[in-house]
Amino acid sequence: DSGVTQTPKHLITATGQRVTLRCSPRSGDLSVYWYQQSLDQGLQFLIQYYNGEERAKGNILERFSAQQFPDLHSELNLSSLELGDSALYFCASSVGTTQREQYFGPGTRLTVT
Amino acid sequence: GENVEQHPSTLSVQEGDSAVIKCTYSDSASNYFPWYKQELGKGPQLIIDIRSNVGEKKDQRIAVTLNKTAKHFSLHITETQPEDSAVYFCAASPLLSGGYNKLIFGAGTRLAVHP
Repeated sequence: DSGVTQTPKHLITATGQRVTLRCSPRSGDLSVYWYQQSLDQGLQFLIQYYNGEERAKGNILERFSAQQFPDLHSELNLSSLELGDSALYFCASSVGTTQREQYFGPGTRLTVT
Repeated sequence: GENVEQHPSTLSVQEGDSAVIKCTYSDSASNYFPWYKQELGKGPQLIIDIRSNVGEKKDQRIAVTLNKTAKHFSLHITETQPEDSAVYFCAASPLLSGGYNKLIFGAGTRLAVHP
C-alpha cells in the first residue's frame, strides 16, 4: 500500500458526460501528479500540482482539468467524455521538488460507453 | 522530443534465471530514472531508482545500471521468482527549475517467471 488513495475504483458513464476523480496524497506529500494509462498510449503524464499550484502540464486535453485543494487532495475533472477517454487514471504523490520519488495510487478505471 | 524506449516488450524466464530489461532515453536533461512494477489490477509500485550521478545501484536481487553517455539504463533481476511476474516500466525525468518533475515512461515489459 503506497498510502495514496483514489476514489472511485471504477466508473462507468456515457459519452458526453462529466466525471470527477479524487486523489488523496500520502501524508506529508505536497506534490500530486495525474497519469493516464491506456492500452495504446501507455502511461502518459497529464498534470502536476505542488502545494495547490499547477506546476507542469503534459498531454492533457482541454476537456480535462484538475485542481489541488488546501488540504492537498486533488481532483481530476473530465468533461464531454468520448469513448477514447476510457482508461486507467492514476494519481501519484511525492514529498516535494527535491525528493523525486513518486508513489502511485491504485487508480480509477473509467469506462465510457 | 522526450521519449523512452523499452525492450523487450515481453520476457519469459525460468525460475532462478536472471532477467534484464533495457531502456534508452532521448532527453539529455533527464537525471532521475525510476523503475516501477505493476501487478494486475494495481498501480505502479516503485521498486528501485537511480540518479545521474551514480552508475549502479543494488537492492537485494534487483540492480539498475546507468550509462549517461549512451543514454541507456537497465534493470537486472537475479534469481527470479514467480512473484516477480508483472509488467515493469522504466521512466526518465528531468528536473527543471520550479519543481517540474514529470516522468516519461517506457512502454513496459511483461515478465513471466515460470516455476
